[in-house]
This record gives sequence, C-alpha cells and structure tokens, in this order.
Amino acid sequence: GQNIDQPTEMTATEGAIVQINCTYQTSGFNGLFWYQQHAGEAPTFLSYNVLDGLEEKGRFSSFLSRSKGYSYLLLKELQMKDSASYLCAVMDSNYQLIWGAGTKLIIKP
Amino acid sequence: ETGVTQTPRHLVMGMTNKKSLKCEQHLGHNAMYWYKQSAKKPLELMFVYNFKEQTENNSVPSRFSPECPNSSHLFLHLHTLQPEDSALYLCASSQESGSSYEQYFGPGTRLTVT
Repeated sequence: GQNIDQPTEMTATEGAIVQINCTYQTSGFNGLFWYQQHAGEAPTFLSYNVLDGLEEKGRFSSFLSRSKGYSYLLLKELQMKDSASYLCAVMDSNYQLIWGAGTKLIIKP
Repeated sequence: ETGVTQTPRHLVMGMTNKKSLKCEQHLGHNAMYWYKQSAKKPLELMFVYNFKEQTENNSVPSRFSPECPNSSHLFLHLHTLQPEDSALYLCASSQESGSSYEQYFGPGTRLTVT
C-alpha cells in the first residue's frame, strides 16, 4: 500500500530552527509537495521537489532524497505565525496526490 | 486569498436533509477536486474533474453527488448523510489533473451531521 509518515506534533521556540520529516512509500513518484495549513484555513502551497537536493525559499527550505523515500521541511528564524499544520504529499505514478496526516507545529515564545 | 472560494463555511444538517456545497475558482484552472479532511487523518480525495469531466471517484458513497457545470464551478450535493460524514470538506483546483501542478485550496466547509 501507499503510505506517508510524518510526526503528529512538534514544538519549537520563536527564533529557532525546526525540521519536519516526511517518509513515503508510494507506487511511483512524480514529486513531493509541502503545504501549510493554519487552523480553520485553506492549505497553501509551500514547496515542490522532484529532484534530489535542497530547495530554498526564504526562511523555508525543503529537501528530498528519492533513494531513501525521505523529505524534510526546514523552517528558520521561527515566528509565532508559523504555528500551523504542515502537510506532506507525494504524487504517485498516476499523478494522484497521497497525503500525510500532517504535523502540527506549535511555536512558543 | 487563494482564488478558490467555498460556501457555506459552516453547515449543520440532519441525516434526512439535502444540502449542497459550492466551490468557485477564479484562477482559470481546468481541474477541480473535492477532499474530505477529518481530524488527525490524511486528506481523502473524493472526486476529480478535468475539463468538466469526472476522472476520479474514490469509492465515495452515493449519498455524495458531485456536479461540475463548467471549469470554474463545482458542487457537492449531500443527502441522507451519516454522523461519520462530519468533517471539513475542501475544494481545490489546479491547471489540470494528471500533472505535477500544485493545487490551490479553498477555506473549506465545516460540516456537522446531527
């Protein structure tokens, strides 16, 4: 079966760095997405990785290793507004998105 | 604002009611999606429309009935729902399905079935 694993909840301190991991087992691979979802709001697109390596976009970076079935989202200089759920999703060989259950990130002052 | 709107934002309905959820996208996309989001569970894809044609129906019970009159509008008609259908229903759109384009989501309809 297809499976995406990510931690249920993480806590970090304002100004610090946090890494949210995602491991996957899917039938085929056509890219990995990270989305951010604030409570009561729409998920919003953060990043897309299809090749191995690190993609940097401001305070957020996303890494992919296809051979290991592994990705992480790195958030630097954490701000209170970064408190949200972070969703990992993999596009399989049929271009269907397989979603993880999300990681709830709590930022403390 | 993501360019995808959904109404209503909140809906409470009894098991014998009939109601409809509405989604509209202002992004010029050709694919639209319905997802169900339950607490602490992955997003569940329900239906996919590409160029107004339904291309995916993930074994969704017949009490959920989608309608896509054009590429900008998507409806989900609900009837004789069960309490376990209570969830957040998200609509999304993308340039087209069957490709690696990112999806843009609406804010969702919080549905409670009593």
